[in-house]
Amino acid sequence: AQKITQTQPGMFVQEKEAVTLDCTYDTSDQSYGLFWYKQPSSGEMIFLIYQGSYDEQNATEGRYSLNFQKARKSANLVISASQLGDSAMYFCAMTLDTGRRALTFGSGTRLQVQP
Amino acid sequence: GAVVSQHPSWVICKSGTSVKIECRSLDFQATTMFWYRQFPKQSLMLMATSNEGSKATYEQGVEKDKFLINHASLTLSTLTVTSAHPEDSSFYICSARAEGLAGASDTGELFFGEGSRLTVL
Repeated sequence: AQKITQTQPGMFVQEKEAVTLDCTYDTSDQSYGLFWYKQPSSGEMIFLIYQGSYDEQNATEGRYSLNFQKARKSANLVISASQLGDSAMYFCAMTLDTGRRALTFGSGTRLQVQP
Repeated sequence: GAVVSQHPSWVICKSGTSVKIECRSLDFQATTMFWYRQFPKQSLMLMATSNEGSKATYEQGVEKDKFLINHASLTLSTLTVTSAHPEDSSFYICSARAEGLAGASDTGELFFGEGSRLTVL
């Protein structure tokens, strides 16, 4: 079974600075997908970025980039130029390429952006 | 982009009653939907996989008689919490993968509903 670990329960960052949220994963499968979701206090899950296990380049989406280190089984999220609206819970998640597409989530990191 | 809608967003009920939560894919078909449960300040835990036209697949430890799932059409899955008790109070959220959606990405992106917050008194 796969497992996702987020070791930072909470993080603070100054507005306009960059921040890295850590995520490590464990799976014996060769084909998998890694996701990051943002969950504001309203509860909705907002998709941020995706990295496939066979993707050679790190994924980027606007201010979000995923630092994918396959050998270390890490998939850290980097948010550049933090904004106050980035304050939320951030979840790293994984799915195996079984077609089922159920996600396994990490415990989450609460990010607070300070002015 | 693809939209998944959940209803109701909030529900408060008395202990012993049953509550139905709907999850609809508004602009795409979803043969598979997923139901998650999230306790306060915790992560999302997969409860079950809802399969259109067949029985749901429940995760270990989830009572299938307690959490009834019906996926009667390609755009609707329902979760019924039967004989709800205070310990069932939680945030329930569904997700679906867009299938057959024009321009659907290869990322396997799952679209989430807005979630339903259940409080059982």
